[in-house]
Amino acid sequence: AQSVTQPDIHITVSEGASLELRCNYSYGATPYLFWYVQSPGQGLQLLLKYFSGDTLVQGIKGFEAEFKRSQSSFNLRKPSVHWSDAAEYFCAVGAGGGGSYIPTFGRGTSLIVHP
Amino acid sequence: DTGVSQDPRHKITKRGQNVTFRCDPISEHNRLYWYRQTLGQGPEFLTYFQNEAQLEKSRLLSDRFSAERPKGSFSTLEIQRTEQGDSAMYLCASSPRDRANTEAFFGQGTRLTVV
Repeated sequence: AQSVTQPDIHITVSEGASLELRCNYSYGATPYLFWYVQSPGQGLQLLLKYFSGDTLVQGIKGFEAEFKRSQSSFNLRKPSVHWSDAAEYFCAVGAGGGGSYIPTFGRGTSLIVHP
Repeated sequence: DTGVSQDPRHKITKRGQNVTFRCDPISEHNRLYWYRQTLGQGPEFLTYFQNEAQLEKSRLLSDRFSAERPKGSFSTLEIQRTEQGDSAMYLCASSPRDRANTEAFFGQGTRLTVV
């Protein structure tokens, strides 16, 4: 069964500083990987996704993530954080292909941005 | 295209009452998912439809939970005899089956409070 681990429950950064949120996945084949962001009381918005090809993927709002198969990781990065980036971030893995494809989520990392 | 729509956004109910939530997916999306999210946790998969067929329901939390998608368009999630532990955000998502490489698009959720 697939699973996702986000080891950091909270991350605090200063506005303008760089950011890296960690994500480790468990899945037997090549995974489909996603990062979603959730603002308070809202649904989930997709930041970026990896299906195949280039292991460094670019997303919205200046975010990027790198798929590292050897480390089973898909860490999210941003070079300069803005106060509006404060939110909950979720990494997810999907089985992919023409099968059931049910995204499985990590518990999330809460990003706090100090002015 | 207005995205995934969920109704109601908030529901307060007394313990023991039945509640029903509605989800309208993005038009022409064949796949529809229901998730539950409790405070401080990531979304937890409940069930999944492809058109009107419910392909995965083993993770519904108990026999008090049921879901339908009678015409392959909107879906309903019903909780019978609600308990305080059912208090959570219930999220619906949809995705197009015909595209292999695609993510799930989420609605804003229905927040249930059982008092």
